[in-house]
Amino acid sequence: DQQVKQNSPSLSVQEGRISILNCDYTNSMFDYFLWYKKYPAEGPTFLISISSIKDKNEDGRFTVFLNKSAKHLSLHIVPSQPGDSAVYFCAASHNNAGNMLTFGGGTRLMVKP
Amino acid sequence: ETGVTQSPTHLIKTRGQQVTLRCSSQSGHNTVSWYQQALGQGPQFIFQYYREEENGRGNFPPRFSGLQFPNYSSELNVNALELDDSALYLCASSFGAGGSYNEQFFGPGTRLTVL
Repeated sequence: DQQVKQNSPSLSVQEGRISILNCDYTNSMFDYFLWYKKYPAEGPTFLISISSIKDKNEDGRFTVFLNKSAKHLSLHIVPSQPGDSAVYFCAASHNNAGNMLTFGGGTRLMVKP
Repeated sequence: ETGVTQSPTHLIKTRGQQVTLRCSSQSGHNTVSWYQQALGQGPQFIFQYYREEENGRGNFPPRFSGLQFPNYSSELNVNALELDDSALYLCASSFGAGGSYNEQFFGPGTRLTVL
């Protein structure tokens, strides 16, 4: 039972354009959501997060949107850069679980120069 | 400040053997979580250790066990290895456990291959 799903295994975007990565979840207990970026041979690195009390969080080129009624979140990267090419994971946690994260399957983003 | 380190980088074992993977947490962190990432999938939570005690466990059988030491470094032990145990094993360290999320930092992982 996959509680966090990323339905697009890959995404290709032109440099300078917007990248939109999507994530769906089923567990209504989740109240904290994160996006991680992973390069080959490295561990995931934290990108941005959002609490369920918000519907948007912005950090530079990265914005995460949360739609609780649809149990959906998305990561927008504007403008996309070739260095953004990586695998992106969304992850979720609930208040009692703290750092015990449930991850989606990942989306490989390729930003073409 | 030293980041999270893991050893070894790669490991090859045969089915039925036992393996121990090691993780050194980031300076000042007292919590270590272990994840298994199979090829093409996202990381799956195995268990978490907080101040040398197991603090939570995912859906993994008892042959997956762990330890945390007084310096907060940690080991993941897997007995009776199966082919499906082939994966990248990630550890992540943070300060504090339970309650709300505390930022955690991942190591580069250990790639385990079971033949």
